[in-house]
Amino acid sequence: QQQVKQSPQSLIVQKGGIPIINCAYENTAFDYFPWYQQFPGKGPALLIAIRPDVSEKKEGRFTISFNKSAKQFSLHIMDSQPGDSATYFCAAKGFSGAGSYQLTFGKGTKLSVIP
Amino acid sequence: GAGVSQSPSNKVTEKGKDVELRCDPISGHTALYWYRQSLGQGLEFLIYFQGNSAPDKSGLPSDRFSAERTGGSVSTLTIQRTQQEDSAVYLCASSLVARTNTEAFFGQGTRLTVV
Repeated sequence: QQQVKQSPQSLIVQKGGIPIINCAYENTAFDYFPWYQQFPGKGPALLIAIRPDVSEKKEGRFTISFNKSAKQFSLHIMDSQPGDSATYFCAAKGFSGAGSYQLTFGKGTKLSVIP
Repeated sequence: GAGVSQSPSNKVTEKGKDVELRCDPISGHTALYWYRQSLGQGLEFLIYFQGNSAPDKSGLPSDRFSAERTGGSVSTLTIQRTQQEDSAVYLCASSLVARTNTEAFFGQGTRLTVV
């Protein structure tokens, strides 16, 4: 069972565009929603995160929008740059049935920003 | 070093051999995760350690996979009788505590190739 669904699988935008990546979750026990950025050959690195009591969080050019009732959240990248080209993963963290605070990931979105 | 360290960075092994992958978490981090990342896939949860509590092994795909964490620090993931489908990047992450809003820091991963 995939608990976090992410779309699209890949995305190509021109420099300056605003790519939007969407995620949906099922487990209402999730209460922390981070986004990770991964460059080839590197491990994922935390980009920005949100808690469900907040509907929007902005850090620099990155914004998370969160809709608790719909169990959906999205990442917007303002004024995208070629250096933003990477794979982006949404994730959700919360108490799992197995007794641990699991961090569950979406399948990732490969973003390419064309100069 | 200050980050999560994984070794080896690359491992090529013959089908049927056993392999050990090592993770050195950030000093003082009590939570440690192992994930598997296959080509084009997201991060698949394998196992989670939190302090001295029993590990959450719910993500291990078969009994050929096992992991231990000695002294609450270094962790070793062992794959016995490796199969070609075990080829993937194995990522380790650590976080300060188990609280849901604490950041998980990833290592650069071990790329395992089974030939």
